[in-house]
Amino acid sequence: DTGVSQNPRHKITKRGQNVTFRCDPISEHNRLYWYRQTLGQGPEFLTYFQNEAQLEKSRLLSDRFSAERPKGSFSTLEIQRTEQGDSAMYLCASSPAWGEQYFGPGTRLTVT
Amino acid sequence: ELKVEQNPLFLSMQEGKNYTIYCNYSTTSDRLYWYRQDPGKSLESLFVLLSNGAVKQEGRLMASLDTKARLSTLHITAAVHDLSATYFCAASEGGTYKYIFGTGTRLKVLA
Repeated sequence: DTGVSQNPRHKITKRGQNVTFRCDPISEHNRLYWYRQTLGQGPEFLTYFQNEAQLEKSRLLSDRFSAERPKGSFSTLEIQRTEQGDSAMYLCASSPAWGEQYFGPGTRLTVT
Repeated sequence: ELKVEQNPLFLSMQEGKNYTIYCNYSTTSDRLYWYRQDPGKSLESLFVLLSNGAVKQEGRLMASLDTKARLSTLHITAAVHDLSATYFCAASEGGTYKYIFGTGTRLKVLA
């Protein structure tokens, strides 16, 4: 399977804990995007990488959120000191330079 | 700042009927996308519209783009129960090409 993969698919954590999600893009894609989707809403842009460089961050990405893409391959999204409001589906997408984005299956986070 | 609006938000329709979902966007965008999402699942790509006047059809779904009106439509012909899902449109913002999504249209087709 050469699509975008995300792990874990589901994560339940207690408030105040740290969580980390991983995204493996399609191998030849140099752009990688993270989105967050809360219940009943459309996905919202969080951040974007071109190769290893993080070029844009949404104001939705508070100081508790950090994303990396070492070596321009897989990416991680870490949330520190989780809050109940962080409960959402976190979607990763990758694309070639000016092409369509391909979305992964998502990681569903539940903060209790 | 690019904004995308969809209407209606909810749509309940009988099998066999036709209906249209509308997607308006606020500033120039060179690309418009339609996605389907089933409950608890990720996004399934339906259509990519790249130019003014573009029309694409797949089965009972047809999408069109009018860049002058900043409007895209998703037309459903002779709806069937399997089309029940949430449909999103998204426009891409130049430069980063990040997607700005509409709020979605939750479609329920009644047998």
